[in-house]
Amino acid sequence: DTGVSQNPRHKITKRGQNVTFRCDPISEHNRLYWYRQTLGQGPEFLTYFQNEAQLEKSRLLSDRFSAERPKGSFSTLEIQRTEQGDSAMYLCASSLQDPEAFFGQGTRLTVV
Amino acid sequence: RKEVEQDPGPFNVPEGATVAFNCTYSNSASQSFFWYRQDCRKEPKLLMSVYSSGNEDGRFTAQLNRASQYISLLIRDSKLSDSATYLCVVMTDKLIFGTGTRLQVFP
Repeated sequence: DTGVSQNPRHKITKRGQNVTFRCDPISEHNRLYWYRQTLGQGPEFLTYFQNEAQLEKSRLLSDRFSAERPKGSFSTLEIQRTEQGDSAMYLCASSLQDPEAFFGQGTRLTVV
Repeated sequence: RKEVEQDPGPFNVPEGATVAFNCTYSNSASQSFFWYRQDCRKEPKLLMSVYSSGNEDGRFTAQLNRASQYISLLIRDSKLSDSATYLCVVMTDKLIFGTGTRLQVFP
């Protein structure tokens, strides 16, 4: 499968725990995005990378959220001290310079 | 004000109907425009790009009005399989999504 891959697909965690999600973009795609989506809403921008450089992080994102893309290939999104409001679908997308973005199937996070 | 605004719907239409969705965006520096389709519990997928000259792909026609900062999508001869959420997407330095418009086509 040469599409965008996200792991895990589902994550249930207790409030206060840390979680980490992984995204493997399409090979050679230099741009990688993270979005969060809740029911009835469109994907909400979190952050994006151009190769290994994190170019922008949403002001809506608290300091509990951090993302990395150490070698310009896969990326991780970590949420520290999870809260119930963090429950959502976390989507990763990748693209070349062409703006068409290809999405992974997402990681569904449930904080209990 | 949200950067990209859409009517959330739902739009309930019979098979064969023509339906139109609208979208407005706030950043006049936006460079590229798209419609994405998202099926229930699936990831968004690109439906079509939107150009000022208008573009058509089968039953789908997209239009951009830069002066009014307005984007539209027209679906003709609706099929049951068109039932989905249609996301208006604007690109400045990143992709910004609207909340989506839900379409339900009934027999």
